[in-house]
Amino acid sequence: EIVLTQSPGTLSLSPGERATLSCRASQSVSSSYLAWYQQKPGQAPRLLIYGASSRATGIPDRFSGSGSGTDFTLTISRLEPEDFAVYYCQQYGSSPETFGQGTKVEIK
Amino acid sequence: EVQLVQSGAEVKKPGESLKISCKGSGYSFTSYWIGWVRQMPGKGLEWMGIIYPGDSDTRYSPSFQGQVTISADKSISTAYLQWSSLKASDTAMYYCARREYYGDYVWFDPWGQGTLVTVSS
Repeated sequence: EIVLTQSPGTLSLSPGERATLSCRASQSVSSSYLAWYQQKPGQAPRLLIYGASSRATGIPDRFSGSGSGTDFTLTISRLEPEDFAVYYCQQYGSSPETFGQGTKVEIK
Repeated sequence: EVQLVQSGAEVKKPGESLKISCKGSGYSFTSYWIGWVRQMPGKGLEWMGIIYPGDSDTRYSPSFQGQVTISADKSISTAYLQWSSLKASDTAMYYCARREYYGDYVWFDPWGQGTLVTVSS
């Protein structure tokens, strides 16, 4: 089973600041099979990024994804008030298709 | 519009059985895998398993194998998650999601609204 470790656990930032979230895999994952999701309280997760770097439909360009192999990054260039949420990475390279434990982006 | 609609919240006692549902619409239900994801209170997302409604091919996470059963009825475009004997530790929100694909790319989208299962004596 591929273990995804996200860091930091919590990121305390102010609106307008840049957020950098990390997702590290215990073994190599094809970039095609790495996705990022956003979850707000009381809501289902929402797809942000697929294929490590492709934005989903309707996702603002302040969200970007990068990385390959075992190290992947989600960057939010300038935090908007609606971006404060929990973010998860997920790999689809092998079964079970595991999630990271999440990074909470909170208002400082 | 592609949509997954899940059944409503359930309150059950330990030892009882339960089957929750996820109805797909707006697309060919038999052509896409459907996955189930658990979220325990205040915790992260856990991948439970997936099913291909076209032929009922099913894959389980080792953590959930033998604990739940995933099934589908393609005649009514509905996937199911069921328990034969619930435990208090099954208390969680359960989401279904369509496993979308494009070329080599794979992702979950859309997601159902979630079904809250509460198991308490």
